[in-house]
Amino acid sequence: AQKITQTQPGMFVQEKEAVTLDCTYDTSDQSYGLFWYKQPSSGEMIFLIYQGSYDEQNATEGRYSLNFQKARKSANLVISASQLGDSAMYFCAMRENSGYSTLTFGKGTMLLVSP
Amino acid sequence: EPEVTQTPSHQVTQMGQEVILRCVPISNHLYFYWYRQILGQKVEFLVSFYNNEISEKSEIFDDQFSVERPDGSNFTLKIRSTKLEDSAMYFCASSEATGTNYGYTFGSGTRLTVV
Repeated sequence: AQKITQTQPGMFVQEKEAVTLDCTYDTSDQSYGLFWYKQPSSGEMIFLIYQGSYDEQNATEGRYSLNFQKARKSANLVISASQLGDSAMYFCAMRENSGYSTLTFGKGTMLLVSP
Repeated sequence: EPEVTQTPSHQVTQMGQEVILRCVPISNHLYFYWYRQILGQKVEFLVSFYNNEISEKSEIFDDQFSVERPDGSNFTLKIRSTKLEDSAMYFCASSEATGTNYGYTFGSGTRLTVV
């Protein structure tokens, strides 16, 4: 079974609007971390936001917030007031508590922001 | 802000040749990783390295691959005899610890093209 599922291969949004990128995960660990990374066309991986499994509050970082619904095992990224520079690939990833806890990625969502 | 440095940014090599991809992790980080991303696909774990030895590796990381930390700062990935299917973006990452609240810092990647 996929550990991280991103069901939206592509999303379109108009500048200044908000957009939600979906992520569901699968783990039997009680302790885990969820991460979102942005990959622009230049290729680098940029960390955006982190949510711990025991965090009661949803994480926020500037225009990024994470809608964490633990019972549903979802960790959706919300980008408010989209900007043209937000056009990129977005990856959801999880780090579990087992072993050396490598980071497991979803397949990504390509976001295009139009003027 | 500390960063992970990867060289070269692009490498073109002939099939069957050996390549060495280089990385300088963040200086106080203890855990090092290589990931790869075939064009248009998800980011896949290759290997993790701690205390001068491999701690975990994926099925992708076969006998053609090796990693080394030849001195106190560099972390290298060697592919002994490259194949066309090794063409990908290779990311080095480092992490301060293995806890679920520790994310990775990724380098900018090396785009390897095997011809």
